[in-house]
Amino acid sequence: EAGVAQSPRYKIIEKRQSVAFWCNPISGHATLYWYQQILGQGPKLLIQFQNNGVVDDSQLPKDRFSAERLKGVDSTLKIQPAKLEDSAVYLCASSLAGLSSYNEQFFGPGTRLTVL
Amino acid sequence: TQLLEQSPQFLSIQEGENLTVYCNSSSVFSSLQWYRQEPGEGPVLLVTVVTGGEVKKLKRLTFQFGDARKDSSLHITAAQPGDTGLYLCAGDTTGGFKTIFGAGTRLFVKA
Repeated sequence: EAGVAQSPRYKIIEKRQSVAFWCNPISGHATLYWYQQILGQGPKLLIQFQNNGVVDDSQLPKDRFSAERLKGVDSTLKIQPAKLEDSAVYLCASSLAGLSSYNEQFFGPGTRLTVL
Repeated sequence: TQLLEQSPQFLSIQEGENLTVYCNSSSVFSSLQWYRQEPGEGPVLLVTVVTGGEVKKLKRLTFQFGDARKDSSLHITAAQPGDTGLYLCAGDTTGGFKTIFGAGTRLFVKA
């Protein structure tokens, strides 16, 4: 079974530039998550999709971050414009669970973003 | 705001030693997962505990869910260098679909 795919693996940009990350979840997984993980910390949820609908985006900085999941499969996360504090690893995860009791998540390798 | 606190934040031990990592909250969770993350990779699921008081074993790793489903522990027996990594606990909110991650315990096992 193929895992969660993410690209690119690494990205270096200057502040105020734009960047986009792509995620392809495990086939059949209805729920998709984007996390931000700053060095030395645990993952922080940015947005959670159930199929192509947003379930939780309460911690997404909506003035600069946007995400979409067209057709309920692949997803993209965009930052525009980037700030220095956006330097982090962006993790995508997917799970079978919908509105069920536990959400075992499968993570991609992440995209390491460096903002200079 | 629901929080999961993990302790210790960092642990450096010799190969062969035993260790316990804790995950605590004032909130009740319907289930809790433990993940291990190695540098440059995403977290990998180790186990899910669902029932209060539940104990699960995975080779040298023993996971326990507190009776009240507010806390959990991970015990590693005879640690090996391959156990090195960031251990994360994640709790699922009761009746919902939200997962809260702890900040992690970074374990380093020296040969």
